[in-house]
Amino acid sequence: QSVLTQPPSASGTPGQRVTLSCSGDSSNVGSNPVTWYQHLPGSAPKLLIYGDNQRPSGVTGRFSGSKSGTSASLAISGLQSQDETDYYCAAWDDSLNGWVFGGGTKLTVL
Amino acid sequence: EMQLVESGGGLVQPGRSLRLSCAASGFRFEDYAMHWVRQAPGKGLEWVSGISWNSVKIDYADSVKGRFTISRDNAKNSLFLQLNSLRLEDLALYFCVKGRSSGLYGVLDFWGQGSLVTVSS
Repeated sequence: QSVLTQPPSASGTPGQRVTLSCSGDSSNVGSNPVTWYQHLPGSAPKLLIYGDNQRPSGVTGRFSGSKSGTSASLAISGLQSQDETDYYCAAWDDSLNGWVFGGGTKLTVL
Repeated sequence: EMQLVESGGGLVQPGRSLRLSCAASGFRFEDYAMHWVRQAPGKGLEWVSGISWNSVKIDYADSVKGRFTISRDNAKNSLFLQLNSLRLEDLALYFCVKGRSSGLYGVLDFWGQGSLVTVSS
């Protein structure tokens, strides 16, 4: 059971905008920046968003992050077939003194 | 080009030990915290352990505390994870991960491809 809660699946059609959610509590999402990763099984996870809404260089502007209270979101605009993979949120947890992850959302592009 | 290459995974019986290594290149290894994160088959990502740039600060997930030991050799740009008293539930792909800062709190910003640890009798 993951500390952060993500819906196991989401879907959208090409060109659509989809939003993936991540829920935590006051010891993690509520008090620390949220990070988002894109993970194609069998390969290395890729950093998409850090500091709630910051994009590393090289990450397309189609990805954006936001946070309100103990919930965070990853928005993907102009959905493409290559976006079909797994997405994870993460945050530092002050109570556990470690990083915690969501269970991941599998995004399907219909 | 930044690279993290894990090695040392394999098949091991419950109760036995294994040592994972991670060779880093393409960045100043000694400046950054490093971590191990694992993914069991069909499951999500789980942070295992982290070590600060100078090895002063070390933390473990409760699930591995007392059984796993993280260490690093800055002179050899290498990170290690000693896995003792392995359990069936430790079966996972273990990723070596670079932190964005010198402390454990910094974002995990670059990942290796992983090393598979299979625990089976």
